[in-house]
Amino acid sequence: GAGVSQSPSNKVTEKGKDVELRCDPISGHTALYWYRQRLGQGLEFLIYFQGNSAPDKSGLPSDRFSAERTGESVSTLTIQRTQQEDSAVYLCASSLSPGTSGRELFFGEGSRLTVL
Amino acid sequence: DAKTTQPPSMDCAEGRAANLPCNHSTISGNEYVYWYRQIHSQGPQYIIHGLKNNETNEMASLIITEDRKSSTLILPHATLRDTAVYYCIVRVAGNTGKLIFGQGTTLQVKP
Repeated sequence: GAGVSQSPSNKVTEKGKDVELRCDPISGHTALYWYRQRLGQGLEFLIYFQGNSAPDKSGLPSDRFSAERTGESVSTLTIQRTQQEDSAVYLCASSLSPGTSGRELFFGEGSRLTVL
Repeated sequence: DAKTTQPPSMDCAEGRAANLPCNHSTISGNEYVYWYRQIHSQGPQYIIHGLKNNETNEMASLIITEDRKSSTLILPHATLRDTAVYYCIVRVAGNTGKLIFGQGTTLQVKP
């Protein structure tokens, strides 16, 4: 596709359940980022992938959160034992490899997670 | 990465130029200034970036002061569709590339 694709666009789950959120980056983009945006708040960085490796996981809020990337393409963000405070829009972005000035990030439309 | 300061909100009349300021007084010599915007319920969208020279593209102009401690994003003819939250971010080239978003400026374009 032409842009970053995320699925599902909306997910409602019960507290304590596990959820998986998927991101398909733009083809050829080696860098991939996950962000979280709570209602009315700014974007919080979660994790950065370069290829299939995650050299920066500094934003993951707890060990209930994990992410992986395969084939230098699709990435999955997994939240285990969801809590109500996990309710947010989870945004994925991709870019060509950082290293020069002009590497803009392209964002998907996000996955809205609601934990009841 | 250096911290930025933006006004929380601004209004602009439709058809007029919108000038959005950003202070980044602790910016380092190798840090770029980036602008993104987020229209309600959408993912952020890249607008423009620069190092020390003024930049212009089809969306906007970026004016960076000579000492690089502040910058202004200019939307030359604001439309109602430009109503959004505008984020000014400084970032080091060659780093992980991650962007650290602040609270941004909510621009309301009014008819």
